[in-house]
Amino acid sequence: QSALTQPASVSGSPGQSITISCTGSNSDIGGYRYVSWYQQLPGKAPKVIIYEVTHRPSGVSDRFSASKSGNTASLTISGLQTEDEADYYCSSYTSLNISVLFGGGTKLTVL
Amino acid sequence: QVQLVESGGGVVQPGGSLRLSCAASGFTFSNHGMHWVRQAPGKGLEWVAVIWHDGSDKYYVDSVKGRFTISRDNSKNTVYLQMDSLRVEDTAVYYCAKDPRIKAARFPPDYWGPGTLVTVSP
Repeated sequence: QSALTQPASVSGSPGQSITISCTGSNSDIGGYRYVSWYQQLPGKAPKVIIYEVTHRPSGVSDRFSASKSGNTASLTISGLQTEDEADYYCSSYTSLNISVLFGGGTKLTVL
Repeated sequence: QVQLVESGGGVVQPGGSLRLSCAASGFTFSNHGMHWVRQAPGKGLEWVAVIWHDGSDKYYVDSVKGRFTISRDNSKNTVYLQMDSLRVEDTAVYYCAKDPRIKAARFPPDYWGPGTLVTVSP
């Protein structure tokens, strides 16, 4: 069981918007602004698409946005495209020990 | 641009050893902590180990403590993962990843290598 909880799967149609949640605790997501989101295409390494809760690296589409409320972080993908079909992982700093927490991952299917 | 390239993966029997390497370029290696993260076939990401920018501190996930050792050579811009007493459940793609903060090593990584596959099989 992962330290951060994500839905196993979400789906949407091209052009729609979807949101993926990531729930932690006061010791990680709720207490700090060090939450990242990664996109992992099949057979590839994870790529950061969001860092420090809301920031997008250069080159990442502005269709990706993120936020945090309490102990839950959320990733929203708007204007879904078929190339968005991938696994998405959240990650957070934790104050409880020296490690990095990951969510269990969410498989996005674009129908 | 930042590049991380892992090597050293392969097939090994249970109880055996492997040493993974990760060559870094495109950033000031000696300023950043480095992580190893693994992904078992069809599974999610699991943080494995981290080493501080100067090698002064190292931390591990409980399941590998006493069996894996992380180290680095800042003169070679390389981080290593020595894996001993390997188990079938260590089978995974192993990624090295860069900590984004300068002289810190507890934060979600910003750059990842392509990974190297370790298969532990009788």
